Amino acid sequence: DQQVKQNSPSLSVQEGRISILNCDYTNSMFDYFLWYKKYPAEGPTFLISISSIKDKNEDGRFTVFLNKSAKHLSLHIVPSQPGDSAVYFCAASIVGSQGNLIFGKGTKLSVKP
Amino acid sequence: SQTIHQWPATLVQPVGSPLSLECTVEGTSNPNLYWYRQAAGRGLQLLFYSVGIGQISSEVPQNLSASRPQDRQFILSSKKLLLSDSGFYLCAWSRDSNNSPLHFGNGTRLTVT
Repeated sequence: DQQVKQNSPSLSVQEGRISILNCDYTNSMFDYFLWYKKYPAEGPTFLISISSIKDKNEDGRFTVFLNKSAKHLSLHIVPSQPGDSAVYFCAASIVGSQGNLIFGKGTKLSVKP
Repeated sequence: SQTIHQWPATLVQPVGSPLSLECTVEGTSNPNLYWYRQAAGRGLQLLFYSVGIGQISSEVPQNLSASRPQDRQFILSSKKLLLSDSGFYLCAWSRDSNNSPLHFGNGTRLTVT
């Protein structure tokens, strides 16, 4: 049973437009959420995180939104650049769970010039 | 700054052969260490984590084992590989257990033939 779901396996966006990557979760005990970016043949790179006490966190072109009532979070990339093309993983954890991150299956983002 | 080294990058092993993947972290002390696996079409799954030397926790029953002989060294092993052990293995570290992002190595692509 998947606790973290990324229902879109892929997303294609034009350069300069907004990319919106979505993630849903089922475990209401999750209180920390992260997004990772992964290029082929490399490990995932931490991108941005959000605690459950917030509903928004922004870092440059990247913004993560959290809707706890809907158990939904999203990553917005504005403006999208070709270098953003990668697989994006959503992850969630429970405080005190020894860093056990539960990952989604990932969404492959393609930003076209 | 902290760095994480993981080797080899790729590995092809026959069924029934042993396995040893090594991971070392530099630039930090007493990190939490993790082994994740990404099987084809799946998200990242936590296999083992360690909060200190000789302390190993297993998340899923499997054909693999882990050891932490030194503070910044984490080893993933198997006595006899199965076909189902094929996948992308990632080592990661974090500073502590509470809301610290994981930092991943570049991974090992293991193919069991």
